[in-house]
Amino acid sequence: SAVISQKPSRDICQRGTSLTIQCQVDSQVTMMFWYRQQPGQSLTLIATANQGSEATYESGFVIDKFPISRPNLTFSTLTVSNMSPEDSSIYLCSVGGGGNEQFFGPGTRLTVL
Amino acid sequence: KQEVTQIPAALSVPEGENLVLNCSFTDSAIYNLQWFRQDPGKGLTSLLLIQSSQREQTSGRLNASLDKSSGRSTLYIAASQPGDSATYLCAVDNYGQNFVFGPGTRLSVLP
Repeated sequence: SAVISQKPSRDICQRGTSLTIQCQVDSQVTMMFWYRQQPGQSLTLIATANQGSEATYESGFVIDKFPISRPNLTFSTLTVSNMSPEDSSIYLCSVGGGGNEQFFGPGTRLTVL
Repeated sequence: KQEVTQIPAALSVPEGENLVLNCSFTDSAIYNLQWFRQDPGKGLTSLLLIQSSQREQTSGRLNASLDKSSGRSTLYIAASQPGDSATYLCAVDNYGQNFVFGPGTRLSVLP
């Protein structure tokens, strides 16, 4: 298993600003994933982040809005840029996949006013 | 494109009952299927992982089955307790498509 931490756990932000969410894993992993969970909804994959390469974004998500960094095998950041109230969600990072069990961080609850 | 559905959307049962949650998926080309639990406002806790070659997995009072050919999985919870109240999500790990999640079943176990 993997232990994953996220910072911040929650934040309240103003429209038009940006927030960077950090994800730290207790072991080296190849793939890290970022998800969004809008209120009352299930999880939607934003992008896959592999160390040493550009993140791969899912349909409907773009790098300008959700830039991702993956500087090493234990850490990643997701930035939510130029925020609007529609970005209010829980953002989760995870590791695993590709046939392996997936583990999730505790999530970052974002509210945009 | 893989689609995952879960039935029922919500379920309320008295403590002690055995219950079954259902998950269906449209594309059988999967690595595995995983069941998660999510408490309100929290992250996801992995409950059971079933590889595509397996038929079932058990952990304590939980038993998950997988019928890949028919695109179905069930999560059986024995002797339910109020602490089991949460949203239960199934997710399939697809070849070339990563994880796709179902909408979840919201479970309430009443004391």
